[in-house]
Amino acid sequence: GENVEQHPSTLSVQEGDSAVIKCTYSDSASNYFPWYKQELGKRPQLIIDIRSNVGEKKDQRIAVTLNKTAKHFSLHITETQPEDSAVYFCAASTWVGGGADGLTFGKGTHLIIQP
Amino acid sequence: DTAVSQTPKYLVTQMGNDKSIKCEQNLGHDTMYWYKQDSKKFLKIMFSYNNKELIINETVPNRFSPKSPDKAHLNLHINSLELGDSAVYFCASSQGGTGPEQFFGPGTRLTVL
Repeated sequence: GENVEQHPSTLSVQEGDSAVIKCTYSDSASNYFPWYKQELGKRPQLIIDIRSNVGEKKDQRIAVTLNKTAKHFSLHITETQPEDSAVYFCAASTWVGGGADGLTFGKGTHLIIQP
Repeated sequence: DTAVSQTPKYLVTQMGNDKSIKCEQNLGHDTMYWYKQDSKKFLKIMFSYNNKELIINETVPNRFSPKSPDKAHLNLHINSLELGDSAVYFCASSQGGTGPEQFFGPGTRLTVL
């Protein structure tokens, strides 16, 4: 089955600086890579995702890059703000349209924004 | 107008009991999931279900069973609860036919004493 590794487990950055979280996956059949943000006591919220036919996707201060050859993908957050503090999870799945494939998650990164 | 909802939010029970957690989605999605988040915050898929297939994670004990009365609901039944079942259980849904994006419910914190 799929295995997703995520690093670092904790990341502390100064407000206004950039943060980068990296993930690797093992199954070359995986073609969908979402990122979730989870605040304390809350549900995971989808913040951005990328499919394997795309190398990069950006949404305001958040961007995700994918390297299929190396089987890794990264989350980039620029101009970090206090409200970015949370646990971030990467995930991977094989989506074939109409199927019911669950997500395999990384172990999460606790992002701390220092004022 | 909650998209994915779960009841109850908290569930405290004794070892050996049987309990259920309910999940409902009003997004018109055709695929639903159950995930377990343990004390270390690790999220793991338990079940994926749509009208075509049920995929069971091989590590899930058969004390756990999903039941879907209709497309909008996927309930989780747990028999003979054990201490190690204590966790937060999240339901999620997606429109599997047209998109892989999964949206999560608020979670149910299960504590087994």
